[in-house]
Amino acid sequence: DSGVTQTPKHLITATGQRVTLRCSPRSGDLSVYWYQQSLDQGLQFLIQYYNGEERAKGNILERFSAQQFPDLHSELNLSSLELGDSALYFCASSSAGGGGNEQFFGPGTRLTVL
Amino acid sequence: DAKTTQPPSMDCAEGRAANLPCNHSTISGNEYVYWYRQIHSQGPQYIIHGLKNNETNEMASLIITEDRKSSTLILPHATLRDTAVYYCIVRANSGGSNYKLTFGKGTLLTVNP
Repeated sequence: DSGVTQTPKHLITATGQRVTLRCSPRSGDLSVYWYQQSLDQGLQFLIQYYNGEERAKGNILERFSAQQFPDLHSELNLSSLELGDSALYFCASSSAGGGGNEQFFGPGTRLTVL
Repeated sequence: DAKTTQPPSMDCAEGRAANLPCNHSTISGNEYVYWYRQIHSQGPQYIIHGLKNNETNEMASLIITEDRKSSTLILPHATLRDTAVYYCIVRANSGGSNYKLTFGKGTLLTVNP
C-alpha cells in the first residue's frame, strides 16, 4: 500500500459526459502528479500540482483540467468524453515539488467510455 | 530527459537472480537513473534510484557503469510475485526541470516456477 488513495476504482460512462477523479496523496506529501495509461500510448504524464499550484503540464487535453485543494487532495476533471479517453488514470505523490524524491502511485481509476 | 533502451521481455527462474539491463547513453551529468515496476494494471511501484554509485535497498540493487551510459537492476532472489513490467527512467533531480516520470515500454520480466 503506497498510501495514495484514488476514487472511484472503476468508472463507466458515455461519450460526451463529464467525470471527476479524486486523489488523496500520502500524508505530508505536497506534490501530486496525474498520469494516463492507455493501451496504445503507455504511461503518460498529464499534470503536476505542488501545494495547490500548477507546477508542470504534460500531454493534457484542453478537455481535461485538474486542481489541488487546500487539504492537498486533487481532482482530475475530464469533460466531453470520447471513446479514446478510456484508460487507467494514476495519481502519484511526492514530498517535494521538484526532484530528489520518489513518486508513490495510487491504485488508479479505470475509466471506460462507451 | 535522456532516452532509455530496455529489452522488451526477459525470463527468470524462481529463486535465481534477475538482471535487467538498461541503456541510457545520452544521460546528462545531473540525471539520475530510476527504476519502477508495474504489476499487471496496478500503480507503478518505486524500486530504487541512483546517480553514479551502486545502490542497494531491501528490494534490489542498482549497478551503474562508470561512464553512466548503462545500468542493471538486480533482483537477487526473484519470486513469482516479481513478475511485472520494469521501467528504467532517467530524470534530473534539480535545476528547475519538470520532474515528471517519462515511462518507456519497459521490460516484461516473467518469473517462472
